[in-house]
Parts: sequence; C-alpha cells; structure tokens
Amino acid sequence: DAKTTQPPSMDCAEGRAANLPCNHSTISGNEYVYWYRQIHSQGPQYIIHGLKNNETNEMASLIITEDRKSSTLILPHATLRDTAVYYCIALEAGSYQLTFGKGTKLSVIP
Amino acid sequence: DGGITQSPKYLFRKEGQNVTLSCEQNLNHDAMYWYRQDPGQGLRLIYYSQIVNDFQKGDIAEGYSVSREKKESFPLTVTSAQKNPTAFYLCASSISGGLAYGYTFGSGTRLTVV
Repeated sequence: DAKTTQPPSMDCAEGRAANLPCNHSTISGNEYVYWYRQIHSQGPQYIIHGLKNNETNEMASLIITEDRKSSTLILPHATLRDTAVYYCIALEAGSYQLTFGKGTKLSVIP
Repeated sequence: DGGITQSPKYLFRKEGQNVTLSCEQNLNHDAMYWYRQDPGQGLRLIYYSQIVNDFQKGDIAEGYSVSREKKESFPLTVTSAQKNPTAFYLCASSISGGLAYGYTFGSGTRLTVV
C-alpha cells in the first residue's frame, strides 16, 4: 500500500474552511484514498474516500489531483468539535490491512 | 443501538501476567480487528479476522493472541511475551470485503502494566 505524508499539525479559525493536504506520490491505480479522524482518546471515525473523482458528503469534500499524487480534505466551516487528528490512508480495494500513520493534528481556534 | 463494546475502559495488570481484552459487536459485521496506539502515534494493526474461526496476523502480532469463536466476539490476549504492553487498544469491525470506509471502532481499553 502507498505511503502517505501529512503535515504534523495545522491551525484553523472557527468558521473558516480547513484544508488538510496529503501526499501519496506512489499510489497505484487501484488504491483508494481514505480519510479518518480521531478525537482525543476515542476510536477513529470515517470521513470520506475516493479513487479519482472529487467527492463530497455531509462532513467534508475530498479533492484528488489529476495525477492522483496528492489530495486535500476540506472541512467547509470548521467548528471546535472538528479539533482532532486527521489520517489520510491509501489502500487497495478489498484490503483488510487498514493502518494509520501519525496524521495531522488539526486545532480549530475560537 | 448497534455498535462495538470494549471492556473495561481502563485495565491495570502486573508485569508477567496475561490479560484478555474484550470486544463485542452487534452490527452483524463479518470482519473484526485489533489495533494498538501508543502516545502521539498512529494505530498499528495487531490481528484481524475476516470470518469466524479464522484470523490473520497484522504488523505487530508478536506477544498477542486472539480467538474468533463467535461472529460477535473477538477477544485479545496480551501475553507476558509482549515486551511493552502498556498502550491504548482499539477494536473495530467492518462488513466483509475489506471495505475500508465501513470501519466502526470501539471506545478503546487503556492497558497499564506495572
């Protein structure tokens, strides 16, 4: 599975959009990009995933570059409850080996 | 409500003792997983089970054992062979087929070995 690289931490003002980048330059054609987040001392929560096209759901938007080497998770209007560690994962379809790196610690500032 | 229950939330054990962490789910999920998380780190996969009576080692299986006798239950035993057992342990489940968007996690057990 492709390795992903994320900044260790980011700040975002409450009410503004939070844009979390992820680099996955070695991603293969059948690997999806998944985003999860973990609020302190809880289990991770699924946010969104995609293969090639941009995706949007009630929580966030996922923008994947045309060459698929990077992606950005967008939280359109960040709230204090969005403060968490965000994990970007590249994983082959059908794989059971979902693992999490160190992620990006997002702090939403009032 | 459907979900995953891990118990207990906090567990203390003396060094050299085996300890079993409980994980029960009522989501009718076929696949279950155990992860370990150390402070400031991501989650590492210990074991996973795709179906009853079958399980596979993850990245850090040494010093751990599991069983999957029932679909709803996937207990993890931390044996005395695990050199650094103090950690936060998370259990998860998913519908079969390796659908990584469908993982549901429990609230975790924090194990401290003294």
